[in-house]
Amino acid sequence: ILNVEQSPQSLHVQEGDSTNFTCSFPSSNFYALHWYRWETAKSPEALFVMTLNGDEKKKGRISATLNTKEGYSYLYIKGSQPEDSATYLCAFNEFGNEKLTFGTGTRLTIIP
Amino acid sequence: NAGVTQTPKFQVLKTGQSMTLQCAQDMNHNSMYWYRQDPGMGLRLIYYSASEGTTDKGEVPNGYNVSRLNKREFSLRLESAAPSQTSVYFCASSEAGWWPQHFGDGTRLSIL
Repeated sequence: ILNVEQSPQSLHVQEGDSTNFTCSFPSSNFYALHWYRWETAKSPEALFVMTLNGDEKKKGRISATLNTKEGYSYLYIKGSQPEDSATYLCAFNEFGNEKLTFGTGTRLTIIP
Repeated sequence: NAGVTQTPKFQVLKTGQSMTLQCAQDMNHNSMYWYRQDPGMGLRLIYYSASEGTTDKGEVPNGYNVSRLNKREFSLRLESAAPSQTSVYFCASSEAGWWPQHFGDGTRLSIL
């Protein structure tokens, strides 16, 4: 079983502040790293898929970076808004494997 | 634009009963997945199908069977439900293994 870890488990951030959290994954046999956003009572929605070491992706105020050699990815949210409150999941694709292994997520709460 | 449709949304079963969870996607995706989500455990893969006519076990396949009926549909069957199978079940689909996955709204299943 592959080990995909996310930290912190939960986070409370004041509206307007910026924040970031981490996903750690195996550094060998890397193929892709996914980030998903999961709002309460909804289903997960894909944010980014990254495949190359050094990759950076951006969507509005949310961005992500990838370091495949050391096995980590950061997700950044700039100027947090209440609608950013959600659980953020990362998921790892091993080379040659159709399956995704998910982390347990970081639960982000934005305090107005 | 339906995306991934799961039925039913809620179900209560008695121990030993059987049932089939249905999933259909209208995005012409090749790969389909069944996950279960339990508190503190994140999303765990039960079974997946890389293409029509193929299925493979995920992390937690015991007690479940699947059928990839055609390219659109992927069903999950509980032959003899057990309380340990109380969970929220998500179906997902993607173009292929490392592409972003699109999730259904989930089925909340309680087994008494």
